[in-house]
Amino acid sequence: NAGVTQTPKFQVLKTGQSMTLQCAQDMNHNSMYWYRQDPGMGLRLIYYSASEGTTDKGEVPNGYNVSRLNKREFSLRLESAAPSQTSVYFCASTFDRDLEAFFGQGTRLTVV
Amino acid sequence: QQQVKQSPQSLIVQKGGISIINCAYENTAFDYFPWYQQFPGKGPALLIAIRPDVSEKKEGRFTISFNKSAKQFSLHIMDSQPGDSATYFCAASYMYSGGGADGLTFGKGTHLIIQP
Repeated sequence: NAGVTQTPKFQVLKTGQSMTLQCAQDMNHNSMYWYRQDPGMGLRLIYYSASEGTTDKGEVPNGYNVSRLNKREFSLRLESAAPSQTSVYFCASTFDRDLEAFFGQGTRLTVV
Repeated sequence: QQQVKQSPQSLIVQKGGISIINCAYENTAFDYFPWYQQFPGKGPALLIAIRPDVSEKKEGRFTISFNKSAKQFSLHIMDSQPGDSATYFCAASYMYSGGGADGLTFGKGTHLIIQP
């Protein structure tokens, strides 16, 4: 049972480049989330998807887009990367009736 | 506006001592209060969680104390061990009437070091 799997684990981008962070869960969870973690800031919600086919903005959505490809997969896209998007990105999922969030291992992204 | 305030930012405790981390929240709609533990290079993992219908929950050496009127909750780690050295995050959320939630609001974290 892999839980929540994120790819890639590390990435370096140049300013202006685009990329997609992938996330997949095998727990049959309905809700999925993308957070970013910055030193001294905790984790902040970027986007979430309460169910397949729906997505909503979180606290810090600017500069990002998401796609809920199917029940298992939820991707995060940076269309034009900026140094301010240097961060560690975590994907998480929850089952509807239980708010315990399961997190992936994270993607460490550096934008130069 | 930070909805969940966590303190202290860092904490050093001797082995066998009690580690205490505090959080305060603002949104009275919150009805789920978890604590997450994170080791370097790993994702956060749920440690223990509480709902506002109880004032305390204990799981092994970990206890959450909850004060609804003060809008505060805290994590106590009894008999702290070097293996407990990690970053701890409090968080809050609320469940929709039909199930599901719109994500967790996290505190900024506490870096805990247990000295042998």
